[in-house]
Amino acid sequence: NAGVTQTPKFRVLKTGQSMTLLCAQDMNHEYMYWYRQDPGMGLRLIHYSVGEGTTAKGEVPDGYNVSRLKKQNFLLGLESAAPSQTSVYFCASSYSGVDTQYFGPGTRLTVL
Amino acid sequence: SQQGEEDPQALSIQEGENATMNCSYKTSINNLQWYRQNSGRGLVHLILIRSNEREKHSGRLRVTLDTSKKSSSLLITASRAADTASYFCATDGSGAGSYQLTFGKGTKLSVIP
Repeated sequence: NAGVTQTPKFRVLKTGQSMTLLCAQDMNHEYMYWYRQDPGMGLRLIHYSVGEGTTAKGEVPDGYNVSRLKKQNFLLGLESAAPSQTSVYFCASSYSGVDTQYFGPGTRLTVL
Repeated sequence: SQQGEEDPQALSIQEGENATMNCSYKTSINNLQWYRQNSGRGLVHLILIRSNEREKHSGRLRVTLDTSKKSSSLLITASRAADTASYFCATDGSGAGSYQLTFGKGTKLSVIP
């Protein structure tokens, strides 16, 4: 049981480049989330999904897109990266919306 | 906007002492959760307390919830160096469709051997 995995672990992008972060969970959870964590800011919700084929905006969705084509995967895309998107990105999943969330190890992204 | 706010922002104690962290929130909740984050790692769930519960224990952890004051506390007894980490409270909104957790900024705990 791998839990929640994230790919890649580290990435450096130049301004304007695009990339996709992959999150996978093997717990058959319906709910999946993408957060970003910046120093002194705690975690902020970017987008979330309540089931396969669904997505919804969180607190800070601008500049990001997501897709949930398969129940076990939740993709986060940056179409045109900006230095303000330099952050650590965490994926999480849960059985229900008010349940314990299980987190991945994070992706450290730097945008130059 | 942040729903939960932890206090203090940082706490340094000697091994064996107790550590108390507080969380305040603004709106009604269904549940409140506490998470731990070791440096550079993902968050790990510690304990969930429901809005109709006042106290909950898990090993060396004791969580209290006062919904009238909109506050919670996390007590770690007999702390160990391995407890060094950041601790976050997370709250959901009450009512149907509350799918989001809102995290506070965390308390950074340092346990000195």
